[in-house]
Amino acid sequence: AQKITQTQPGMFVQEKEAVTLDCTYDTSDPSYGLFWYKQPSSGEMIFLIYQGSYDQQNATEGRYSLNFQKARKSANLVISASQLGDSAMYFCAMREAYNQGGKLIFGQGTELSVKP
Amino acid sequence: KAGVTQTPRYLIKTRGQQVTLSCSPISGHRSVSWYQQTPGQGLQFLFEYFSETQRNKGNFPGRFSGRQFSNSRSEMNVSTLELGDSALYLCASSLAPGQGTYEQYFGPGTRLTVT
Repeated sequence: AQKITQTQPGMFVQEKEAVTLDCTYDTSDPSYGLFWYKQPSSGEMIFLIYQGSYDQQNATEGRYSLNFQKARKSANLVISASQLGDSAMYFCAMREAYNQGGKLIFGQGTELSVKP
Repeated sequence: KAGVTQTPRYLIKTRGQQVTLSCSPISGHRSVSWYQQTPGQGLQFLFEYFSETQRNKGNFPGRFSGRQFSNSRSEMNVSTLELGDSALYLCASSLAPGQGTYEQYFGPGTRLTVT
C-alpha cells in the first residue's frame, strides 16, 4: 500500500491566491515526521516545512503552512499569496521513527502552475 | 554556508559500464542519503550513511553501492549499468540522527543517462 498519497497530479492557481496541496499518509508508527519539498525544473529539492507527529500546533514557515489532521492522516500544504516563482513540483514525504534514520518516503508529487 | 554539492551534474554512460557519483554535504552535516528519481517510480530511497556506516538501505539490487568518508563526503557506485538506471540521483545531507527535526537538504542532483 502506498504510504504517501498525493491525489492531485496537477494544480493551477492564480497569482496572489492561496492554494492547498493534498497529502495523506499511512503509518502504524506513533512517531513520525512529515515534510514538504519543492522541486523546480532545475531539479534541486528545496525543503519547505516540517511537522512532527507529536506537534500540537500546525507548522508555519512564511507563506507556507501545514494543515495537520492526525486522525485523518492528512498533512496538506497551504501556500498563501501564490507567486509565479511557486510554479514547481511539490512533494510530500514521511519519515518513520522506527527507521532511526533519514529514509524519506515520498509521494508522487503535485505539479503546481501559478498563472499571472 | 555552502549547500550540498554533487558531481558530476550530467553523465552519459553505456550499458554494462559502471559509474561513481560524488556528494559533499553541508558543512557540519554528518549524515548523507541517496535517492533515485525516475518518471515511472518517482523518488526512491537508496541508502543512508552516517559516520562512515550504512544505516539504512532501500530496495535496490546489489549493483548499487555507496560509501562515506571520514569528512562525511559520500560516493555511490552503480556497476553493470542498465537502461533502467537512467535517472536523476539526488544526495541529501542532514545533521546526525536524533538532532533536531533531522530534515534533509538536497543537492542539485546528477542526471545519469544510460544508452
